[in-house]
Amino acid sequence: QKEVEQDPGPLSVPEGAIVSLNCTYSNSAFQYFMWYRQYSRKGPELLMYTYSSGNKEDGRFTAQVDKSSKYISLFIRDSQPSDSATYLCAMTYSGYSTLTFGKGTMLLVSP
Amino acid sequence: GAVVSQHPSWVICKSGTSVKIECRSLDFQATTMFWYRQFPKQSLMLMATSNEGSKATYEQGVEKDKFLINHASLTLSTLTVTSAHPEDSSFYICSAYKPGQGVETQYFGPGTRLLVL
Repeated sequence: QKEVEQDPGPLSVPEGAIVSLNCTYSNSAFQYFMWYRQYSRKGPELLMYTYSSGNKEDGRFTAQVDKSSKYISLFIRDSQPSDSATYLCAMTYSGYSTLTFGKGTMLLVSP
Repeated sequence: GAVVSQHPSWVICKSGTSVKIECRSLDFQATTMFWYRQFPKQSLMLMATSNEGSKATYEQGVEKDKFLINHASLTLSTLTVTSAHPEDSSFYICSAYKPGQGVETQYFGPGTRLLVL
């Protein structure tokens, strides 16, 4: 079993839809959870960062962490065509440990 | 956020030649930089951790003699792919930690696409 599992998609939705992206993980030692957005042929950029369990909201984006289920989610409200990208979840043990990434989910938002 | 640059953004080379990729933190000093490789539709795989002034730490399965890493200054790390072969064709991405802050301050470069013919 891989440490971090993420459905590669693609996930196609119409503009304005609510998008749910998810990752599961196997190592209960992970404490920090991140979501990155990566446009084609570009480096990843950090979208959301959460420590331990709970929710975090930033504009149209909400990140959820359920450590008991080893499950994290990213919700995008009122999705826009500009949200079309690959979304990578990542996690780590401590503030300066290396990141373990999921494979990424490709999201396509059609106008 | 901080800015990390990579050069070149893409490179095509012949099999057997060596290619050097530069990673620079433009507006902060980075004691630690990371090098990743990403194949199409695959995740970022950590290759090595580069610490300024010391030897890089390579992940299991990554040949240190093939992927030479030099972190000679607080703003520059280089990755040299020696005797490149077609199977080394990939997207190479570096990242840098901004010191004094937490895990969220690992900033990624734009990546370098390598094609070995």
